[in-house]
Amino acid sequence: DIVMTQSPDSLAVSLGERATINCKSSQSVLYSSSNKNSLAWYQQKPGQPPKLLIYWASTRESGVPDRFSGSGSGTDFTLTISSLQAEDVAIYYCQQYYSTPPWTFGQGTKVEIK
Amino acid sequence: QITLKESGPTLVKPTQTLTLTCTFSGFSFRTSGVGVGWIRQPPRKALEWLALIYWDDDKRYSPSLRSRITVTKDTSKNQVVLTMTNMDPVDTATYYCAHRHGAGVFFDYWGQGTLVTVSS
Repeated sequence: DIVMTQSPDSLAVSLGERATINCKSSQSVLYSSSNKNSLAWYQQKPGQPPKLLIYWASTRESGVPDRFSGSGSGTDFTLTISSLQAEDVAIYYCQQYYSTPPWTFGQGTKVEIK
Repeated sequence: QITLKESGPTLVKPTQTLTLTCTFSGFSFRTSGVGVGWIRQPPRKALEWLALIYWDDDKRYSPSLRSRITVTKDTSKNQVVLTMTNMDPVDTATYYCAHRHGAGVFFDYWGQGTLVTVSS
């Protein structure tokens, strides 16, 4: 199984400041034939299901604010919130969907307001 | 507009079999490429992918749970059913069904989830 490890487990950021979440996979999730990384990011607010933010590591889902961006390749990925808003308080998960199952999630990173 | 909703028991006893139904609208298994997955989340813990069923009845299961879970679909009713045998307290979780995005095995629409507690 591909193990997804996120860091940090939690972070507190001031409103308007940048938040950076890291996700590392135990093996590469890059499809060399297409040069695409099979990595998605979700946001989960309390009492709600996850919401898809990013896929193919950097493609923003329709309707997601452009302050959310994804980057990285191979085994190391980053979700960046460029200017944290109050409504961004949530737990963020990465998920790999490379090749065969199981398709696995990271343990989550909790983002709070400082 | 795509919606999904999970239904089933909120409480099951250890060793019993859990059956959950996902009823959806806004898409159909008659469309090539469509898939519906099941994901669970124990209280205050991370997400765990369980199973996925495709429009052509192809199925994928988590290897760690493969012996215990079955997923089926009813195309005419727009439903997917998850069955999990031999339930244990560690299976206590919120169970979600979700629509697979057309570009890969990630999920763009989710049900609200249903909390299943396993306790005697």
